[in-house]
Amino acid sequence: QVQLQESGPGLVKPSETLSLTCTVSGDSISSYYWSWIRQPPGKGLEWIGYIYYSGSTNYNPSLKSRVAISVDTSKNQFSLKLTSVTAADTAVYYCARTIYAFWSGYHYWYFDLWGRGTLVTVSS
Amino acid sequence: EIVLTQSPGTLSLSPGERATLSCRASQSVSSTYLAWYQQKPGQAPRLLIYGASNRATGIPDKFSGSGSGTDFTLTISRLEPEDFAVYYCQQYVNSPWTFGQGTKVQIK
Repeated sequence: QVQLQESGPGLVKPSETLSLTCTVSGDSISSYYWSWIRQPPGKGLEWIGYIYYSGSTNYNPSLKSRVAISVDTSKNQFSLKLTSVTAADTAVYYCARTIYAFWSGYHYWYFDLWGRGTLVTVSS
Repeated sequence: EIVLTQSPGTLSLSPGERATLSCRASQSVSSTYLAWYQQKPGQAPRLLIYGASNRATGIPDKFSGSGSGTDFTLTISRLEPEDFAVYYCQQYVNSPWTFGQGTKVQIK
C-alpha cells in the first residue's frame, strides 16, 4: 500500500533552516498534490503548503516568506525547507497526499494519506 | 482567512452514545471543500469525511457528515472505544487552508 515517511533532523538551532523530506512508496508521486502540515506539541494543525508533481506550489501566507517546497520525481520524494526558525516552529511535521478531484461538476480537496510525522525541536 | 470554530471543545460520552460535533465557519464554505479528520494520541490524523458528507475509503457508516454554508456537523452514531479521539474539521475554500481547533471526545 502507499506509505509516506518523513525524514530529517529532529533538532534545529534558532535562526537556522529546517529541512525535511517525505519519501513516497507504493505509488508514483506523479499526478498528485503533496502537502506539509505541522502540529505544535499539544496544539492544533496548521497547513504549511502544497506542491504539485509538476512543481507548482501554494503556501500558507503566514509562512510564505520562509517556506520552500520542492519535488524530486526521480526519487519519489518531496521536501520542505523553512528558514530562520524560532522556538515557535517546534512541532510535529507531517507530509500528506493531497487529493484534488473534479466530478459531477464539483471540486473536492482533502488529505487522504498522511505520514507518521516527525518531531522537530528548535533549540540551541 | 476562514476561521473554523469547533464546539464543544470537549465532549464526555459513554460507549454506545451518539456524538454530535459542530464546526462553524467565519464565512460560507462550499460543502465540497470541507473535511473531517480523526486523530488519536501519538498518531497522524486520519481522513474520515470529505466534501462534507462523503465517507473516506474504509470509514464505517457510524460516521456521517452534514451541513452547508457556515455550519457543519460530524455525527458518530454509536461510540465505540476506538472512537475516543480528537476530531478536526478543515476547509479548502481559500488559502490558507485552515483547521478547526479540534473537539476531544472522551470517555465519561
